[in-house]
Amino acid sequence: EADIYQTPRYLVIGTGKKITLECSQTMGHDKMYWYQQDPGMELHLIHYSYGVNSTEKGDLSSESTVSRIRTEHFPLTLESARPSHTSQYLCASRPNGIVSGELGANVLTFGAGSRLTVL
Amino acid sequence: AQTVTQSQPEMSVQEAETVTLSCTYDTSENNYYLFWYKQPPSRQMILVIRQEAYKQQNATENRFSVNFQKAAKSFSLKISDSQLGDTAMYFCAFMKSQLSGGTYKYIFGTGTRLKVLA
Repeated sequence: EADIYQTPRYLVIGTGKKITLECSQTMGHDKMYWYQQDPGMELHLIHYSYGVNSTEKGDLSSESTVSRIRTEHFPLTLESARPSHTSQYLCASRPNGIVSGELGANVLTFGAGSRLTVL
Repeated sequence: AQTVTQSQPEMSVQEAETVTLSCTYDTSENNYYLFWYKQPPSRQMILVIRQEAYKQQNATENRFSVNFQKAAKSFSLKISDSQLGDTAMYFCAFMKSQLSGGTYKYIFGTGTRLKVLA
């Protein structure tokens, strides 16, 4: 059972609307990530965070923004949605341990995804 | 920069048969981690298996095993006794060891869509 939760799972909205995709994890992970994935395609990192008040842009340029005010919460916001933002957004987190061999170290846990359609 | 290549966009296998998915990567690092993730249709991405580069022994998890060839930078996934539930997209991923410094970013391949046929 997943310990990382994304809402909404599906969202259809009109152009120009502001939307926030929620991501919460209950595992106490410091490191969290947002990926953008078109159906059946590769994942593109758009944002990541190493902890509270730490956010960085990923490899794929995105008009979205993120915040990390609490360890467990990493929401993604689009101020003005456009059809080009139509995609699936995956949130992920991973443990803090860096010791090789530590159980679960470096393994990403993914949320179920938020599929966004902008008309 | 690191890259991960999955050269098989789609594959199919008969139920109960064995299939191998290929993955190659490019890096100048010596310490890193490799992963296979599975993404079933409309379902959550989950870890299948992982390999630490310093370990020579190939990782195994039940019906899933890898063939890790560090010198060749190859990391293939073998699925034995394929089951219908194995139908999914499979992503190979690379992560540099934090002990090497730098960021904690994963590099994903483009994925292989595997279909298990009844």
